Amino acid sequence: GESVGLHLPTLSVQEGDNSIINCAYSNSASDYFIWYKQESGKGPQFIIDIRSNMDKRQGQRVTVLLNKTVKHLSLQIAATQPGDSAVYFCAENSGGSNYKLTFGKGTLLTVNP
Amino acid sequence: DTAVSQTPKYLVTQMGNDKSIKCEQNLGHDTMYWYKQDSKKFLKIMFSYNNKELIINETVPNRFSPKSPDKAHLNLHINSLELGDSAVYFCASRHTGPANEKLFFGSGTQLSVL
Repeated sequence: GESVGLHLPTLSVQEGDNSIINCAYSNSASDYFIWYKQESGKGPQFIIDIRSNMDKRQGQRVTVLLNKTVKHLSLQIAATQPGDSAVYFCAENSGGSNYKLTFGKGTLLTVNP
Repeated sequence: DTAVSQTPKYLVTQMGNDKSIKCEQNLGHDTMYWYKQDSKKFLKIMFSYNNKELIINETVPNRFSPKSPDKAHLNLHINSLELGDSAVYFCASRHTGPANEKLFFGSGTQLSVL
């Protein structure tokens, strides 16, 4: 299958379950974080973002949690649907005012009907 | 449609050739980027241009030369292509300023060097 050899972290869930995708970021000075979804053959699409002065932000079916103490970011997807199957990336602005969006490794989410 | 558009979507070429990838955005953004995505899906920034001026150059080999004729276009020219250049290249754009950190990506150009 496509995932063979990719060495991506993978998460497999049943349709309707909640999904949690985790990300460890590298720069304690990063002030902005963002989650992207990338479907096969497409470019990354924005899901949700959060600034470092917040620890939680909610969107439609998605929630991002930020724990600056341990440099951890998570994306929660409620009632996961087959259309949510994709690779999910977290990214941080590691450049401060000299904006530079640095991406994490990516997690492959597979939703089973 | 408002978007970041890249051409071509697929590019297959021989080692040693020179090729270009074009990018245009009609979102009114003033900063554009090139990212490279390898076979393990890792996305790495290559270049950033703001109003036609180079802002970021992430130690990319000088075989890669970006060109920004205006703030809506950022093209990538690659000389003497090597096998390791095979990857998916993504163009992205944003408007500089506070509360504008979101990058908008094109759909990618899959480059295969044989």
